[in-house]
Amino acid sequence: QLQLQESGPGLVKPSETLSLTCSVSGGSINTSSYYWGWIRQSPGRGLEWIGHIYYAGDTYYNPSLRNRVAISLDTSKNHFSLKLRSVTAADTAVYYCARQYGVIIGNWFDPWGQGTLVTVSS
Amino acid sequence: DIQITQSPSSLSASVGDRVTITCQASQDIRKNLNWYQQRPGKAPKLLIYDASNLQTGVPSRFSGSGSGTHFAFTISSLQPEDIATYYCQQYNNLPAAVTFGPGTKVEIK
Repeated sequence: QLQLQESGPGLVKPSETLSLTCSVSGGSINTSSYYWGWIRQSPGRGLEWIGHIYYAGDTYYNPSLRNRVAISLDTSKNHFSLKLRSVTAADTAVYYCARQYGVIIGNWFDPWGQGTLVTVSS
Repeated sequence: DIQITQSPSSLSASVGDRVTITCQASQDIRKNLNWYQQRPGKAPKLLIYDASNLQTGVPSRFSGSGSGTHFAFTISSLQPEDIATYYCQQYNNLPAAVTFGPGTKVEIK
C-alpha cells in the first residue's frame, strides 16, 4: 500500500525559502504511470494545487506560483521535494504531497500524505 | 481560468437522509471532475473520479453524476462517519490546470 509522508520545517521566516520533502513507501516514484504532486490548504485559499513532477523530471506548476516554485525528485531516495521562494504570510498553509493520476487519462490525487503545517512568521 | 462553484457551503442532515452536493463549472469540462472527502484533521480522500466512477474501497452509498458544467455528489443514506467536508476538483488542459471547489461541510442533525 502506497504511503506518503511530508517532512520539513514548520516555521519559515518571511522572504526565505520553504523546503519540504515527501517520502514515498510501498511503491517507487520511478514509474511512468503517475505524477507526484503538491497541494496546499489554507483557510483563505482553500485547496490549491501547487504543481507536480514526472519521473523523467518534467514539471508542471500552478501559473500563480510558477515564478517562485520548484519541484524535484530523487529516485535513489524515493522522495520528491518542494521549494517555494520568497514566502510571505499568505503562504502559511498545510502542505500535502500526493500521487497524481493523469499521465494517460484523468487527473486526480490518491493517496495523500497526512500533511504538514508550515507557518510563515518572523 | 475555469471557476468552480459548490453548493451548499454547509448542510445539516439526519442519519439515513439522502444528501446531495452540487458543483458547477464556468465552462464545459466534460466529465473531468472528481470528489474528495476530508474528515476533520485528516487529508482529503478520493471518493469519485471522472464524475461518476467510485474509487476502489469506497462504500456504494456514495455516487456522482453529471457532465459539462453541472455535477452532483450524493450520499444515499448519511452515516455518522460521513461527517466531513466534501470537495470537488476539476481538471482540464492536461497535465496542468487543476482547481478545487470551496467545499461543503456536512454535519449530523
